[in-house]
Amino acid sequence: QKEVEQNSGPLSVPEGAIASLNCTYSDRGSQSFFWYRQYSGKSPELIMFIYSNGDKEDGRFTAQLNKASQYVSLLIRDSQPSDSATYLCAARSLNRDDKIIFGKGTRLHILP
Amino acid sequence: GAGVSQSPRYKVAKRGQDVALRCDPISGHVSLFWYQQALGQGPEFLTYFQNEAQLDKSGLPSDRFFAERPEGSVSTLKIQRTQQEDSAVYLCASSLMVNTDTQYFGPGTRLTVL
Repeated sequence: QKEVEQNSGPLSVPEGAIASLNCTYSDRGSQSFFWYRQYSGKSPELIMFIYSNGDKEDGRFTAQLNKASQYVSLLIRDSQPSDSATYLCAARSLNRDDKIIFGKGTRLHILP
Repeated sequence: GAGVSQSPRYKVAKRGQDVALRCDPISGHVSLFWYQQALGQGPEFLTYFQNEAQLDKSGLPSDRFFAERPEGSVSTLKIQRTQQEDSAVYLCASSLMVNTDTQYFGPGTRLTVL
């Protein structure tokens, strides 16, 4: 089992709708969780990080963390065509010497 | 520029050749990471430097891979006797402090081994 799991997609969402991206992790020692956006042929860029259970909002983005279920999600409200990219979930754990472990990413396609 | 830079952006090597990939982190950033990203996969950790000290090289796939950061700024990832399975994008990232969660990625070097 990979340490950080994501559905590879593609996930197709109509423009203006809410895109919901999900991620699970296996290491209960994970303490920090990240969402990166990666456009094709480009490097990852950090969108949000979250440490505590619950929701964290930043503009159109909301990260949600449920440590009991080992589940992290990213909601994108009012989806725009420019949101079309691969979204990488990542986790950082003391059990892994603080390394950041990435999932393989979910491809998101916003339909105009 | 103010960001992380990497060179070359693209490298084609014949199997068996040695290659050297360069990373210029953001000035003053203490931590530097190298990742390998295969097509359709997330970045996989290779190695980590804190200033000039290589604190973790557990992700290097074989002894053909070697990284250094002799003066605590620029880093070089060297791959000896390249194999086709080494074909990937090699990403460098830096962060300002130790154990800081915000890593800034460079554009990557796409290595193709023929």
